[in-house]
Amino acid sequence: EVQLVESGGGLVQPGGSLRLSCVASGFTFDDYAMHWVRQAPGKGLEWVSGISWNSDTIGYADSVKGRFTISRDNAKNSLSLQMNSLRAEDMALYYCAKEEEKHSYGSDAFEIWGQGTMVTVSS
Amino acid sequence: SYVLTQPPSVSVAPGKTARITCGGNNIGRKSVHWYQQKPGQAPVMVISYDGDRPSGIPERFSGSNSGNTATLTISRVEVGDEADYYCQLWDSSRGVFGGGTKLTVL
Repeated sequence: EVQLVESGGGLVQPGGSLRLSCVASGFTFDDYAMHWVRQAPGKGLEWVSGISWNSDTIGYADSVKGRFTISRDNAKNSLSLQMNSLRAEDMALYYCAKEEEKHSYGSDAFEIWGQGTMVTVSS
Repeated sequence: SYVLTQPPSVSVAPGKTARITCGGNNIGRKSVHWYQQKPGQAPVMVISYDGDRPSGIPERFSGSNSGNTATLTISRVEVGDEADYYCQLWDSSRGVFGGGTKLTVL
């Protein structure tokens, strides 16, 4: 079964840091681009960051550029998101998502989604 | 940055056809993907590349894209189709989502 499982969310003070992780199973992880998409409470979906299958291409939304860093470890089938200088507006459910086609980046649909991990930013 | 505009809500009676639009500048030149999200659940891809339906998605779901509007069409709407629907595309290798449309089945 294809599965993505996120972890690492929690309560953090403004200005603090948090590291999210996503572990993949059921498919050849190192063939696919992976992304983080977030959803603030009661709001819509927002693309946060993506990384190509071989980490050659990385992208960030303007809202997180310079504060968040995406990375992957293909040997461990894992995706990470290091979040620094967190703000109240970063509070959201963070989803890990797999792009649909092999060896592409930034063209396909998000085929598979995890269940998300909640990040709460509050003092 | 590229903006996608969706109606906040669409209502339809069971058995009828629902059409959810997604507007954007020359969106017909881009590939549009659609997701369904039910309360408390992760999004699910229902249409990719304007009109491709993944396995497991009912044939009642279809998509089209031309000019400045992409459309998700749900035929013979069922109560279980009630959900939020989002369109999405890529612009300069950045993901862009529409604001979402809440489909209510009356």
